[in-house]
Amino acid sequence: DVKVTQSSRYLVKRTGEKVFLECVQDMDHENMFWYRQDPGLGLRLIYFSYDVKMKEKGDIPEGYSVSREKKERFSLILESASTNQTSMYLCASSFTGLRSSPLHFGNGTRLTVT
Amino acid sequence: GENVEQHPSTLSVQEGDSAVIKCTYSDSASNYFPWYKQELGKRPQLIIDIRSNVGEKKDQRIAVTLNKTAKHFSLHITETQPEDSAVYFCAASPYTGKLIFGQGTTLQVKP
Repeated sequence: DVKVTQSSRYLVKRTGEKVFLECVQDMDHENMFWYRQDPGLGLRLIYFSYDVKMKEKGDIPEGYSVSREKKERFSLILESASTNQTSMYLCASSFTGLRSSPLHFGNGTRLTVT
Repeated sequence: GENVEQHPSTLSVQEGDSAVIKCTYSDSASNYFPWYKQELGKRPQLIIDIRSNVGEKKDQRIAVTLNKTAKHFSLHITETQPEDSAVYFCAASPYTGKLIFGQGTTLQVKP
């Protein structure tokens, strides 16, 4: 069974802090994703990566950056956290083939910025 | 880019009734349409998916239909049970790998 592990379940940070959210998957998936989940807005794509050192902006990349130095690890970085980045963050991974394949999600990190 | 609209945002049914959730997408190149269920405090999990070369797919009490011409797809749950209560998300894939989600539907099944 695919395992996607997010390093923190809950995180509280102060405005202006640099924040790192870490995600690791154990299924050798090429694709990795970061989504943000807010009530009424669904899951919004922040960034995704289809290979090591490769990244593509999603729908809401502003205020975020990502890093993928190894295939199994995908990090989301908030350069200077703001209160409007308080949210649930979900990491996911999927296999790359000729056709799209299902995403496997982590348990999420609930980030509060005060 | 792709945009996915999902309705209704909330749905309340009596146990045993059917529930239908509808989604529309904007990018005609989208060819993969999964549905995810998220129970309270848990991660979203895939329940069923459909590809653009298929019009309907069933798995026990759940089914998904796809109308490519109208660019909409629907989730049907029959004989609903209290354990079906959750948030359901539809999604569309405009190209290999990328998934854009709808806003979610909170389904409540009353015993």
